[in-house]
Amino acid sequence: QKEVEQNSGPLSVPEGAIASLNCTYSDRGSQSFFWYRQYSGKSPELIMSIYSNGDKEDGRFTAQLNKASQYVSLLIRDSQPSDSATYLCAVGGMDSSYKLIFGSGTRLLVRP
Amino acid sequence: GAVVSQHPSRVICKSGTSVKIECRSLDFQATTMFWYRQFPKQSLMLMATSNEGSKATYEQGVEKDKFLINHASLTLSTLTVTSAHPEDSSFYICSAFRDRGSTDTQYFGPGTRLTVL
Repeated sequence: QKEVEQNSGPLSVPEGAIASLNCTYSDRGSQSFFWYRQYSGKSPELIMSIYSNGDKEDGRFTAQLNKASQYVSLLIRDSQPSDSATYLCAVGGMDSSYKLIFGSGTRLLVRP
Repeated sequence: GAVVSQHPSRVICKSGTSVKIECRSLDFQATTMFWYRQFPKQSLMLMATSNEGSKATYEQGVEKDKFLINHASLTLSTLTVTSAHPEDSSFYICSAFRDRGSTDTQYFGPGTRLTVL
């Protein structure tokens, strides 16, 4: 069974610090990787997508992918209290269904 | 980013009634849409894959006769919860798949909170 694992947290960091969120996946054939942010009571919002090994930066966010280790991470620099949310890791496979497998999410708390 | 809308955003109904939820992709065509359900403090649970012009594909354990899905056009999918019961109360979220070749992405609608009394 395909799985995506995340630490549920909460991960607590002070304002201005770097928050590091991690995710591992079981399907070695996975091709696409996403980080979504979900505020309480709201639907997920796409933060980053990454498709090849290495780092991808977008503003304060950096996604890192290591397919050999089946590991994807999200770094948030200069964390702000408004970044406090649940971050969902999602992984897409090789099949034609376009389905994503979601992790259970990591709750991030940024302390002012 | 792409825009996906859902309607209604919130609905309260009596037990035994049916509720229809609409999901629209506003600025792109989506041949594939997905319906998720999320209970409090839990992650997203995929219910079904909605394909334009064909029958939906349901995940294991999801009753296709209870959760009717229609994907009538490239921009609209509907989910009808038939004979709703209190245990169907949940946050229902759709997503639309935008195929960009090597950079395909799912975009989520804002969700519909269903409360069955």
